[in-house]
Amino acid sequence: KQEVTQIPAALSVPEGENLVLNCSFTDSAIYNLQWFRQDPGKGLTSLLLIQSSQREQTSGRLNASLDKSSGRSTLYIAASQPGDSATYLCAVLTSGAGSYQLTFGKGTKLSVIP
Amino acid sequence: DADVTQTPRNRITKTGKRIMLECSQTKGHDRMYWYRQDPGLGLRLIYYSFDVKDINKGEISDGYSVSRQAQAKFSLSLESAIPNQTALYFCATSDPPPGHNEQFFGPGTRLTVL
Repeated sequence: KQEVTQIPAALSVPEGENLVLNCSFTDSAIYNLQWFRQDPGKGLTSLLLIQSSQREQTSGRLNASLDKSSGRSTLYIAASQPGDSATYLCAVLTSGAGSYQLTFGKGTKLSVIP
Repeated sequence: DADVTQTPRNRITKTGKRIMLECSQTKGHDRMYWYRQDPGLGLRLIYYSFDVKDINKGEISDGYSVSRQAQAKFSLSLESAIPNQTALYFCATSDPPPGHNEQFFGPGTRLTVL
């Protein structure tokens, strides 16, 4: 069974700092990995999706990397801003013959202090 | 307008009542999903549907049923609600392979069962 772990569970940084969020998964036979942002009481917003054949994806100040063989992904946030404060979730899609499994980590709660 | 909408956004009900949560999407995606989110447990898949004629159980389907009325509509029912079904419920959609299967989420329904 796929397991996804996110470390740390919570992180507080001063505004302007660069930071890295970590995601690890136990089964490397994945289809893709997706990073989401969730604001309190809100839905999930897709940030970046990395296909299993890719090593990284970038969007603005965000960069996500994937090392499938070691079961790890990182989300790098450059020049953090108070508006980046949210919970960040990673999810791994494992898809087999006729089956579907999207497994979520429990998230990293980020606070960016002005 | 939002691509994935959920109604109601909030619902308080009593044990034993039948509840239906509805989801509509304008993304034209074939695949739709229902998840629940609980503090400390993350998101878990309840049911998913790859097209109008396809319904599959997810990780935690007991106590729930679904109906895929059309490509754009996917509803979740609790036949006899119980307090441990109190949670935040999310609907999501995605495009199938050869697409990226990127997940797009609705805003969520907060359900409280007394």
